[in-house]
Amino acid sequence: QKEVEQDPGPLSVPEGAIVSLNCTYSNSAFQYFMWYRQYSRKGPELLMYTYSSGNKEDGRFTAQVDKSSKYISLFIRDSQPSDSATYLCAMILSSKLIFGTGTRLQVFP
Amino acid sequence: GAVVSQHPSWVICKSGTSVKIECRSLDFQATTMFWYRQFPKQSLMLMATSNEGSKATYEQGVEKDKFLINHASLTLSTLTVTSAHPEDSSFYICSARDSLLVSGETQYFGPGTRLLVL
Repeated sequence: QKEVEQDPGPLSVPEGAIVSLNCTYSNSAFQYFMWYRQYSRKGPELLMYTYSSGNKEDGRFTAQVDKSSKYISLFIRDSQPSDSATYLCAMILSSKLIFGTGTRLQVFP
Repeated sequence: GAVVSQHPSWVICKSGTSVKIECRSLDFQATTMFWYRQFPKQSLMLMATSNEGSKATYEQGVEKDKFLINHASLTLSTLTVTSAHPEDSSFYICSARDSLLVSGETQYFGPGTRLLVL
């Protein structure tokens, strides 16, 4: 079993839809939780980070962490074609980033 | 803030040559930088952790003599792929950690360097 599980998709939604991206993890020692967005042939861009259970909102993005269930989510409201990218969840363990496999999202007009 | 640059963005070289990739933190000091490798449609694979002023720590299976890492200053780390071969062709990405931030564990990534070895 991988330490971080993430559905690779692809996930295809119409413009304006609410997108839900999820990751599960197995190691309760994970601390910081992050979401990165990666466009094709580019480096990952940090979208959200959080430390504790609960919700954190930034514009159209909401990150949710449930440590008791070892489950994290990223919600994107009013999705736009420019949101089409691969979304990677990541967690910190011993100062190293452990990535999910990434979910490819396509938002069509 | 928290901008990381990489140079070059693209490099094509002949088999047997060495290639140096630079990673710079532009607006913060990074005591720790990381080097990753990414294959098409796969996630990032950590190659090594680079600490300013000390030797890099390599992940299992990564040849330290093949991938030389130098972190000579708080804003610059370099990765040299020595005697490159076609199987070294990949997308190399660095990241840097700004330890002064409240989110000090957060890593900021460079744009990546695409290496093609002919």
